[in-house]
Amino acid sequence: AQKVTQAQTEISVVEKEDVTLDCVYETRDTTYYLFWYKQPPSGELVFLIRRNSFDEQNEISGRYSWNFQKSTSSFNFTITASQVVDSAVYFCALIDIFGKGTRLHILP
Amino acid sequence: NAGVTQTPKFRVLKTGQSMTLLCAQDMNHEYMYWYRQDPGMGLRLIHYSVGEGTTAKGEVPDGYNVSRLKKQNFLLGLESAAPSQTSVYFCASSYSRLNTEAFFGQGTRLTVV
Repeated sequence: AQKVTQAQTEISVVEKEDVTLDCVYETRDTTYYLFWYKQPPSGELVFLIRRNSFDEQNEISGRYSWNFQKSTSSFNFTITASQVVDSAVYFCALIDIFGKGTRLHILP
Repeated sequence: NAGVTQTPKFRVLKTGQSMTLLCAQDMNHEYMYWYRQDPGMGLRLIHYSVGEGTTAKGEVPDGYNVSRLKKQNFLLGLESAAPSQTSVYFCASSYSRLNTEAFFGQGTRLTVV
C-alpha cells in the first residue's frame, strides 16, 4: 500500500527563519512521482513541485528548495528566509495519495 | 480560463437528504478526482475517474457514488447524507494519473445536520 507521512502537524517560526517540512513516503513501485502542494488560508490548493523517482537532484526555486532522498524515502521541503505569506498548510503527495499536511505559521 | 469549477460552494443538508456535487474542467484532462478534507486528516481520495464512463474507488468511497458521463464533468453523489459526511470536498483533474500535477477546484463546504 502507498502511504505518505507528514509527521509535523503544525510548525511556527519567526519571519526570516528557515524551516523544513518533512515528508516520508512508502511505495513498492519503482517508478513514482512525488508532489508538494500549498493551501493558503483562502483554501485553494496550489501545485508547487513534481519529482520523479529517477531524479534525485535537489531542486531550488527562489526561496523554496526540495531534497529528495530515495534511500530514506523522503522528500523534504525547505523554505529559506520565510515570509508571512508562506503561512499555509503544505501537503506532500505520492501520485494521488496525500499526507495529512503540515500547517505552517510564519510569525511577524 | 476557468480550470476546475465546483458547484455549489456551500451547502447545508439534513441527515438523510441527497445531493450531487458537480465538478467541471475545461482542460481536456482524462483524470478526475474527488477528495474530502477533514481537520487533521489531510485530503482523502473518495473516487476517481480515468476517463469518460469509467470510475474507481479511492480510500474512502463508502456513502458516495460518482458518474462521469462527459469527459469534462465528474459528479459526486450522496444518496443519504450523514453527519460524518460533513467536510470540505475538493474536485481535481490531471492530464495523467502518475506524473502530472492535479488542478483543484475551490472546494465545496458541506454541512450535514
